[in-house]
Amino acid sequence: RKEVEQDPGPFNVPEGATVAFNCTYSNSASQSFFWYRQDCRKEPKLLMSVYSSGNEDGRFTAQLNRASQYISLLIRDSKLSDSATYLCVVGRSPGGYQKVTFGTGTKLQVIP
Amino acid sequence: NAGVTQTPKFQVLKTGQSMTLQCAQDMNHEYMSWYRQDPGMGLRLIHYSVGAGITDQGEVPNGYNVSRSTTEDFPLRLLSAAPSQTSVYFCASSEGPNEKLFFGSGTQLSVL
Repeated sequence: RKEVEQDPGPFNVPEGATVAFNCTYSNSASQSFFWYRQDCRKEPKLLMSVYSSGNEDGRFTAQLNRASQYISLLIRDSKLSDSATYLCVVGRSPGGYQKVTFGTGTKLQVIP
Repeated sequence: NAGVTQTPKFQVLKTGQSMTLQCAQDMNHEYMSWYRQDPGMGLRLIHYSVGAGITDQGEVPNGYNVSRSTTEDFPLRLLSAAPSQTSVYFCASSEGPNEKLFFGSGTQLSVL
């Protein structure tokens, strides 16, 4: 089993739709969680950190479920500009910089 | 504020050639790292550094060397290029372990 698993997609959704991605992680000692966005042939950029209590940033909501070992990203009112690949990133232990693991990404295509 | 500057953007090498990918950051970050990204796989850590003079191996270090003589610079050296090293390479920096990663714009490397 991979340490971090994501559905590769693609998720094709119409503008204005709500879409959700999940990411599962295998190591229960994981301590830090992030969602990054990567546009085609570009570098990843942090979208948001994921906190235990869940957090929201505009149209984006991130949640953490430690019991089931997954994090989720919800995008409301999808825009064409949201089309990208979304990377789940998990830090396996506090202070363990070298133990940050990237998922393979979920591709989102927002259709006019 | 330039952030993380990575050069070159593209490079073609012949098997056996050597080269250095340059990475510089102007954010005074202690942590710097090199990743490679291959189709169907998440970003994988090659080498990382927690400060000037300190480097360590990541997940896929074979065939690569690094050094960290200053806080700003973290070059990646390919000693004898192999086709298996064809990939997209990203340099990243962060304030600390498990903190937000700032990425360079990437290097598309092809080894023939």
